[in-house]
Order: sequence, then structure tokens, then C-alpha cells
Amino acid sequence: GAGVSQSPSNKVTEKGKDVELRCDPISGHTALYWYRQRLGQGLEFLIYFQGNSAPDKSGLPSDRFSAERTGESVSTLTIQRTQQEDSAVYLCASSGDMNTEAFFGQGTRLTVV
Amino acid sequence: QQQVKQSPQSLIVQKGGISIINCAYENTAFDYFPWYQQFPGKGPALLIAIRPDVSEKKEGRFTISFNKSAKQFSLHIMDSQPGDSATYFCAATTGYALNFGKGTSLLVTP
Repeated sequence: GAGVSQSPSNKVTEKGKDVELRCDPISGHTALYWYRQRLGQGLEFLIYFQGNSAPDKSGLPSDRFSAERTGESVSTLTIQRTQQEDSAVYLCASSGDMNTEAFFGQGTRLTVV
Repeated sequence: QQQVKQSPQSLIVQKGGISIINCAYENTAFDYFPWYQQFPGKGPALLIAIRPDVSEKKEGRFTISFNKSAKQFSLHIMDSQPGDSATYFCAATTGYALNFGKGTSLLVTP
């Protein structure tokens, strides 16, 4: 596809369950970002992957959150033992290089009930 | 800590008016300042961006003004239209992760 693809678009899960969110970046983009957007709030940085470098995980809010990326392709964000405060839209973005446009996916809306 | 501070939180402008959104930053290492536009249910999309070597950049009805000494930058939307109603985010980066402001919800009334 031409853009950043995220799946699922919506996810409702029970408190305490694990969830996995997927991001397919634009082909050839070396940088990949995950952000969290709570209702009516700004974008909260979670994690950043750049090529084969060690990811910047400084934004992950707790050890229940983890993310992986296979080379320069798909990334998965995993939230273990979900809590109600994890409810948010999780946005993935990719860019071709530093200081170039970051293209966002449409996000995964996660609702923890 | 919020590295980029954005104001106002919400803004109502009449059609044809000028919408102005302001952002301020502290990190002088930031060297790329994009603005993103987000419609409900969509991901943010790049609107316009500026680097600190220029003081202004204009694209159509959208202008970024950049004041390096004051560490401030702003978005001006001229001749605002109802279709401009959206949430606008400023951001700044050193070439690493984008640091976003908290967003401005703009409503342009007919």
C-alpha cells in the first residue's frame, strides 16, 4: 500500500488481557514511531526505531509496554495486562530519514473494559 | 515534561478570518518544526514545516512564522474556511522523535 497501515483499526479488550497492535510502514522508510493519543490530548511519544540502531524506548509508560520491529518493516506494539488507562488511540508513523515528513497511519483505537 | 508548549487549546474563528496558533520550545537543538493537521478519526497529516534558517514560510493560505531568538513559532491560516476545522499540532525535533504540542482544536464557523 501507499501509506502506513495499522491493524486492527479498533480493539476492545478486557482488563488484564494482552493486546498486540500492528504497523506496516511505508516501504523503504527507515524510521518508525509509535505514539499514544488519549481522548482530547496531544500525541505522547512511546518508542522510536531507526534502521538497525537500538530503539529509543524512553517514552514507554511502563514495563507492560513493549515493541518490536523486524528490520525496516513491520512493527508490533504489545501491551500486557491491559488497564483502563491504556484506552487510547495508538498511532504509528514512518519517515524516510531524519527531519523528513513523518506519515501517520489512521491509528488503532484501543478500549479496555 | 512537555518540550513544546502550544496555545490556545481551542479556537473559534469566523469564515474568512485569520486563525493563529502559537508554540514555544526550550531545546535550542531543535532544527525542524512541522505542523500537523488532524481530522476526527484520522491520523495527523503534515501541513507545513520550517527549518530555523528562515523566519517565515508560506504555502497557500498557511504561513509559519519562526522567531529563533524567542524560541517561538506560529501557524497563521489566512481566509479560514469551515473545511479547516480540525485539530492542529505543532512539533519540533532534532532529527529524532517528534515532540508534539498538545494540540489546538480549531472551529471555523460559516
